[in-house]
Amino acid sequence: KNEVEQSPQNLTAQEGEFITINCSYSVGISALHWLQQHPGGGIVSLFMLSSGKKKHGRLIATINIQEKHSSLHITASHPRDSAVYICAVSFAYSNYQLIWGAGTKLIIKP
Amino acid sequence: DTEVTQTPKHLVMGMTNKKSLKCEQHMGHRAMYWYKQKAKKPPELMFVYSYEKLSINESVPSRFSPECPNSSLLNLHLHALQPEDSALYLCASSPYPGTQQYFGPGTRLTVT
Repeated sequence: KNEVEQSPQNLTAQEGEFITINCSYSVGISALHWLQQHPGGGIVSLFMLSSGKKKHGRLIATINIQEKHSSLHITASHPRDSAVYICAVSFAYSNYQLIWGAGTKLIIKP
Repeated sequence: DTEVTQTPKHLVMGMTNKKSLKCEQHMGHRAMYWYKQKAKKPPELMFVYSYEKLSINESVPSRFSPECPNSSLLNLHLHALQPEDSALYLCASSPYPGTQQYFGPGTRLTVT
C-alpha cells in the first residue's frame, strides 16, 4: 500500500525560527511534491523533486530516495508562512496520480 | 498568464438544481484535474483530462459530469447533488501528466 506520513501534524513557532517538516513514504516513487494551502483554500505547488535538493527563497526541500524521506525547511519564518503544508507523492504506474499526506498545520507567531 | 482561474468562488445550490463550475488556464498545459476537498482532509482526485481526453475517472457518481471543450477550459457540470457533496472543488493543470500541478483558488460549494 502506498502511504505518505507527515510529521508533525501541528507546529507552532515564533517568528524567525528555522522550521522543518518531515515526510516519509513506503514505496518507490517517481516524484515527491510539497504544496502549501492557506485558510480559505488555494493550493500552491512549492516543489516537485525526485532527487537531491531544491531551494526557492526561504524554502528548501530535500529528498533521500534510499531512506524514502523528504524534508521541507523554512528559514527565517514569518507569520505569513502560516498555512498547511502537504507532502504528496506520484507513481509512474498509477498515471502519476498524487497520493497525499495528511498535512502539517504551521502557525508562526509574531 | 501563469494562473489557473476558477468561477464561481462560492456556489449555493439546491438538490434539484443544475449548475456548472468553470476552470481556465492559458499556460498551454495539456493535463487538467478536478479535485474535491472536505474540511481538514487532503484533496481527493475526481477526474483527469489528458490532451483533452478523459483519462482518469475515480469512480465519481454520475451527478458530476466533467467536460473539456478545449485545451484551456475545463467544466464540471453538477446535477441532483446531495448535501454531502458540499466541499471545496479545486481545479489544477500541469504541462503534461505527471508534472508539477498548478492549482486554482477553488469553488466553495454548498448543497442545501
